[in-house]
Amino acid sequence: EVQLVESGGGLVQPGGSLRLSCAASGLAFGDNWMTWVRQAPGKGLEWVGNIKQDGSDKYYAGSVKGRFTISRDNAKNTVYLQMNSLTGEDTAVYYCARDYRYFDVWGRGTLVTVSS
Amino acid sequence: DIVMTQTPLSLSVTPGQPASISCKSSQSLLDTDGRTYLYWYLQKPGQSPQLLIYEVYNRFSGVPDRFSGSGSGTDFTLKISRVEAEDVGFYYCVQSIEHPKTFGQGTKVEIK
Repeated sequence: EVQLVESGGGLVQPGGSLRLSCAASGLAFGDNWMTWVRQAPGKGLEWVGNIKQDGSDKYYAGSVKGRFTISRDNAKNTVYLQMNSLTGEDTAVYYCARDYRYFDVWGRGTLVTVSS
Repeated sequence: DIVMTQTPLSLSVTPGQPASISCKSSQSLLDTDGRTYLYWYLQKPGQSPQLLIYEVYNRFSGVPDRFSGSGSGTDFTLKISRVEAEDVGFYYCVQSIEHPKTFGQGTKVEIK
């Protein structure tokens, strides 16, 4: 079964940092771009960024550029989202997804709450 | 960034009736390779989004044939021929022709 499982969410203070993980199983992880998408409470979907198969290319939404970093460890079938300088506007459920230009496999998401 | 604009933002439909959602992009999604990178997703209540349509009109695996996509360039439409109760949720269009990828605001579909 193809599966993506996000972890690492939680409560963090404004200005703080958090690292999310997305563990993949049942797919050829190293063959795929991977994407992060977030959804603030009661809001729509926002693409956060993605990473190429070997990690050599990464792209980010303007709202997170310079604060968030995506990385991956193909030996562990895991993609990461390092989030720094967090603000209340980063409060959201964060999803990872396989990125074929479209996102055909999604995780269930992990909630990040930025609050004092 | 490419702006994706969906209309309407909300839709209430009688079961068995059709529904239509429009998505307009601020620039053409037709790439030099001849493909148009426009996709449709449905997020059912309490669930992760799921892919419905890729490259304008191609139904993803397992998607019922009551869902169809059409359009070209900057104007696209998702149609549900006969809405069923399980179709409720938020529908999103998204472009992948360039980074950053961008979603429409979402259209809420509910049953009357």
